[in-house]
Amino acid sequence: GAVVSQHPSWVICKSGTSVKIECRSLDFQATTMFWYRQFPKQSLMLMATSNEGSKATYEQGVEKDKFLINHASLTLSTLTVTSAHPEDSSFYICSARGLAGGSPYEQYFGPGTRLTVT
Amino acid sequence: QKEVEQDPGPLSVPEGAIVSLNCTYSNSAFQYFMWYRQYSRKGPELLMYTYSSGNKEDGRFTAQVDKSSKYISLFIRDSQPSDSATYLCAMRRSAAGNKLTFGGGTRVLVKP
Repeated sequence: GAVVSQHPSWVICKSGTSVKIECRSLDFQATTMFWYRQFPKQSLMLMATSNEGSKATYEQGVEKDKFLINHASLTLSTLTVTSAHPEDSSFYICSARGLAGGSPYEQYFGPGTRLTVT
Repeated sequence: QKEVEQDPGPLSVPEGAIVSLNCTYSNSAFQYFMWYRQYSRKGPELLMYTYSSGNKEDGRFTAQVDKSSKYISLFIRDSQPSDSATYLCAMRRSAAGNKLTFGGGTRVLVKP
């Protein structure tokens, strides 16, 4: 149990375009979902937290108009990177927390999405 | 100074050896402690979570927490090449608290 998927796993887009990344909890209801960013050989940096049906809470320094987060259902959250630039190239990982097979308080992570902006 | 410190490694061990990993932290408000394993270009996988000082064992993995020293450890017995990965410690302040604070990760190489 506690499986989280992400789609796509890898995406290349041109500078100035927008790209949407999906995060799904496959076998549990995720009351809270999180979006992280990870640079090579570095740890995860929390970008935002979203609860189903509510607006996302962004961490300090994260532009909410650039990184649009939608958590429309208990199994799906999306991150849209708007007007992407090369500096947005990174590994984006989502996690979910809810009524999973393990602890209801722990976060279960998706496999990540590698974004390359050319 | 970072809230959570973790030696980046790499830590290289022969197959079958015990892998010993640790993290130190500065904030005594942290009460809940997790260890994640992350393979290259993959998301972190939750290995262990503990809610108090002491030991917790699960198969080949043992997690230890010493709140008085602000020190946590993960031991992997009978290590296998498939254990080669980056191990991240993480912690948070409360049971239902959202924010995880991660260590930088330790890269482990288990050589056959």
